[in-house]
Parts: sequence; structure tokens; C-alpha cells
Amino acid sequence: QVQLVESGGGVVQPGRSLRLSCAASGFTFSTYAMHWVRQAPGKGLEWVAIISYDGYNKYYADSVRGRFTISRDNSKNTLYLQMNSLSVEETAVYYCARSTSGTYYNPFDYWGQGTLVTVSS
Amino acid sequence: DIQMTQSPSTLSASVGDRVTITCRASQSISSWLAWYQQKPGKAPKLLIYKASNLESGVPSRFSGSGSGTDFTLTISSLQPDDFATYYCQQYNNYWTFGQGTKVEIK
Repeated sequence: QVQLVESGGGVVQPGRSLRLSCAASGFTFSTYAMHWVRQAPGKGLEWVAIISYDGYNKYYADSVRGRFTISRDNSKNTLYLQMNSLSVEETAVYYCARSTSGTYYNPFDYWGQGTLVTVSS
Repeated sequence: DIQMTQSPSTLSASVGDRVTITCRASQSISSWLAWYQQKPGKAPKLLIYKASNLESGVPSRFSGSGSGTDFTLTISSLQPDDFATYYCQQYNNYWTFGQGTKVEIK
């Protein structure tokens, strides 16, 4: 069965960096585009970034472009999100999610359980 | 950027009720719309894609309709497991979610 397991969350000071990971299993990871989505406490869902199945194409929300980097290692079936210059407002649960196919404009059919990132001094 | 607006923000209903949630896009998105259900502390679950297509395993009491800018999610007979928050999402141009509709017990 498809599984996505995020890790790497925790408490980080404003302005610092953090890297999240998402370990995938139960499907051919290298053939699907993958996303990161975040949800601040008590708030709605915000799309963060997408990476193509082969890792060559990446797109970001305006709010994170230039500070966050999405990447993947298809040999390890793992998705990453490098987050730099974090602000308090970016405290959220970060989810990885699978696109329904290798192409970009699709909904998300599987999600991880999320990892909480708390930005606080 | 495409903005998605859901209404209502909160909906109080009873088991057995027919429930309708609306979602409006700031510009036409054709039928590139999905609906998700989220329960507290859990990840969202895909219910409907391409405006009206039921995801595998989702009960048939859920249905979606609409195209262009106006969309609806209908639950024909609300069940206890359906009390949750529902989000629409456009995937015509990048990905944008509505603010959510919480369906609570009346």
C-alpha cells in the first residue's frame, strides 16, 4: 500500500533552517510528481512546492520562492524540503503529497501524516 | 493567482441531512477542481476530482458538480463519519485551496 512518512520537523528559531524528508513506499516513486503542502495551526491548506517525477522541474508558491528548495532522490524513494530563513508565521504541519500522475496539474491522491515545524525564539 | 472561496465557512447539520457546500473560483478553471475531507489531526483525503469524478473507495453519497467558476459538493445523506472539514482545490494553474467548510453536528 502507498505510504508517505514525513520526518525532520521540530522547533527552530526565526531565521534558521530546517530540512524535511518524506519517505515513500508502496508505489514507483520515480514516476510521480510530488508536492509539499502546509497547514498552520487551526488554518487552511497552503500549497508550497512541486517537483517533477525526474526532479528536473520545480515550482514554488510566491511565499516561499527563493527560501525553500524542493528536491528528491529517486534511488532512495525520498522527497525533501530545505527551508531557509524561517519566520514565525511558517509554523505549520508540513505534508508531502503525491500527484495522481507524473504530470503537473493533478490533484493529490495520497498524503503523509505530516510533520510539525514550530518557528519560535 | 486564482483565488478559491468556499461557503459557508461552518455548516451545522444532522445525520440524514442533505448537505451542499459551494466553491467559487476567481477565474474559470474549467473542471479542474477537487474536493478533500479532513478530520482533526489527520491528513486530507481526496473525495472528488475533475469536479464530478468520485475517487475510488469514496461512498456514493458524495457527489460533485460544476464547471467554470462555480462548483458544489453534495452529501446526499449525512453520516456520523462525515463530520469534518471540506476543502476545494483548483489545479488549473498551480494549486490553490479554498478556506474550508466545517461540517458540525447540529
